[in-house]
Amino acid sequence: KAGVTQTPRYLIKTRGQQVTLSCSPISGHRSVSWYQQTPGQGLQFLFEYFSETQRNKGNFPGRFSGRQFSNSRSEMNVSTLELGDSALYLCASSLFQGINEQFFGPGTRLTVL
Amino acid sequence: GDSVTQMEGPVTLSEEAFLTINCTYTATGYPSLFWYVQYPGEGLQLLLKATKADDKGSNKGFEATYRKETTSFHLEKGSVQVSDSAVYFCALSDLTGANSKLTFGKGITLSVRP
Repeated sequence: KAGVTQTPRYLIKTRGQQVTLSCSPISGHRSVSWYQQTPGQGLQFLFEYFSETQRNKGNFPGRFSGRQFSNSRSEMNVSTLELGDSALYLCASSLFQGINEQFFGPGTRLTVL
Repeated sequence: GDSVTQMEGPVTLSEEAFLTINCTYTATGYPSLFWYVQYPGEGLQLLLKATKADDKGSNKGFEATYRKETTSFHLEKGSVQVSDSAVYFCALSDLTGANSKLTFGKGITLSVRP
């Protein structure tokens, strides 16, 4: 069974641009969560999607948004990029919402110049 | 809110040494507790978990026991190997409200030298 896949793996953008990251969960998994990992703040929860609806949201500005498609694939978007958005963005999937065993993808490394 | 506190790092050990990584938590409900491991350039892998008080999670020689009375979930291994060098994260998930959100500690880097 294929694991969680994230594309692209690496991305370089400049301040003010926007970016879209993609996540394909494990086949059959319907819940997708996103996390931001930085050296300073560690791992922080961004949001969780289940059945194409955002179910839970972390403490991030509105520049961070996401969506989930009917096949459970998810995208997250960051608009008006700032230097502080440079991070590893991790996606995790689980069978259903409220199931606590989550499986992580390799992440997308975003660098903002 | 929920929080996880891990001991400060990094930790450097010789091969076959005993490992303990401390983790304590604060949660309003009855969380499940996890240890995740991250190897260089990779995402997180679930190492072990415990879902209720006094449960012991174990995997690959690592163990951790859910101690409700001390709100702790310390990770131990009797004999570490060079291949155990990685970053270790303690995390909790409080399913109150039926969400899957994980709250992580800061992580600790373990280096094992031959």
